[in-house]
Parts: sequence; C-alpha cells; structure tokens
Amino acid sequence: DTEVTQTPKHLVMGMTNKKSLKCEQHMGHRAMYWYKQKAKKPPELMFVYSYEKLSINESVPSRFSPECPNSSLLNLHLHALQPEDSALYLCASSQENLLGQGERGYTFGSGTRLTVV
Amino acid sequence: QKEVEQDPGPLSVPEGAIVSLNCTYSNSAFQYFMWYRQYSRKGPELLMYTYSSGNKEDGRFTAQVDKSSKYISLFIRDSQPSDSATYLCAMSANAGGTSYGKLTFGQGTILTVHP
Repeated sequence: DTEVTQTPKHLVMGMTNKKSLKCEQHMGHRAMYWYKQKAKKPPELMFVYSYEKLSINESVPSRFSPECPNSSLLNLHLHALQPEDSALYLCASSQENLLGQGERGYTFGSGTRLTVV
Repeated sequence: QKEVEQDPGPLSVPEGAIVSLNCTYSNSAFQYFMWYRQYSRKGPELLMYTYSSGNKEDGRFTAQVDKSSKYISLFIRDSQPSDSATYLCAMSANAGGTSYGKLTFGQGTILTVHP
C-alpha cells in the first residue's frame, strides 16, 4: 500500500461548525504532515508530526487543532473557521530519516477541498 | 528573497518537445530535492527525489542538481499532452537542522503540452 488516504474529499462548513479531516497511511512512515494550499499557490506547511509527537507548528491559529492518535492516523480538527480558511488541505507522510533512502520523499494524499461559508 | 525561486510560467510547448524546468535556492542547508507534478484539484505526486549533485534519470524524466550553484532542473523528454500540469520543486534540510522535516516549495510552473 503506497497511498495516503484523506477523507472527506470535499467539505462545506459554516463558521460555527466543528469538523474533522482525517488522513491514513499504511506505509510505515513515521512522519506525517498537514499542508494548506490556496489556488495557484504552492502548499504551505502547517504541522509536522514525528513518531506521533508534534515537532513543528508553523504558527497556525488555534482554530486548527492537529491530532495523531497512532502512527497511521492523522486528524485535523476544525472549529470556528473563517471564509479565508477555504483551501485544499493536504496530508503527507515520509520516512523520518530521508538520508540515503532511495526513492523517498513525501507521499501526498489527494486532499480535502474545504469551503467555509 | 524567497528561499526557493521558480518561474511560474505558464509554459506552453508542442507535443514531443523537451521541457526544462528550473529552481534556484538560497538555503545551503537544503540537502534533499524533489520534483512533484500536480494535476488540477489533485494532491502533488512525487516524480523525482535526489540528495546528491549530478543527474538522475527515470524514463522520460531527468533531474539535475548543482549544489555549488544552488540550482536544480527537471527535464522532460518527448513531452505528452498528459504531462500538462503544475510542476513544483521542493527541498528539505539535512537531519539535525531546525527545519528538518519541513518541505519548502517553489511557486510551481504551469506546463501545457499541446497536440
């Protein structure tokens, strides 16, 4: 299995809603990531989890709350979002140690397209 | 100045042409270099991954890294209409650095291959 699976594919939520994005991988990767991508822009890093511990938070507002329940799962809990948070949210995973690992790099999921109304 | 610079294009070529995509970077801590292809409304797909200077070939794709010049390239031979997508270069720092694990992307180049 060489995939990162994200659900749901599309999500529309109101500014007072609470929702969660889910990400799953079974490649044995020990690093998992959340990225946000606006139209015609590159992905921007939000969070990095390494061995199920949060290692990087790129000053993301607290209305985004990540969670890594185990080495295969990554969630992003959303609460009180703003319309400007509408974007494609991408999950990715990688081997924790990239050095000399052959064909490695990040594997991205297809993303969740989020619309905040 | 951005850490990674990539010409956003757009780039339009005829089918069969050789395509050259380039990125420059300023952070000497970058040791791992990737090229991703992203179709509209999809996640990025890893095309090439390198961690040393020189060339790496995979089918119609060749990745080139010149660490002394802080310059990377992706060449696509015999381009096809199915290659039409946005191409993103991406880089990661070496282990032990404070940014280890973080992928820094270029702006992406929009490529169209017309029949």
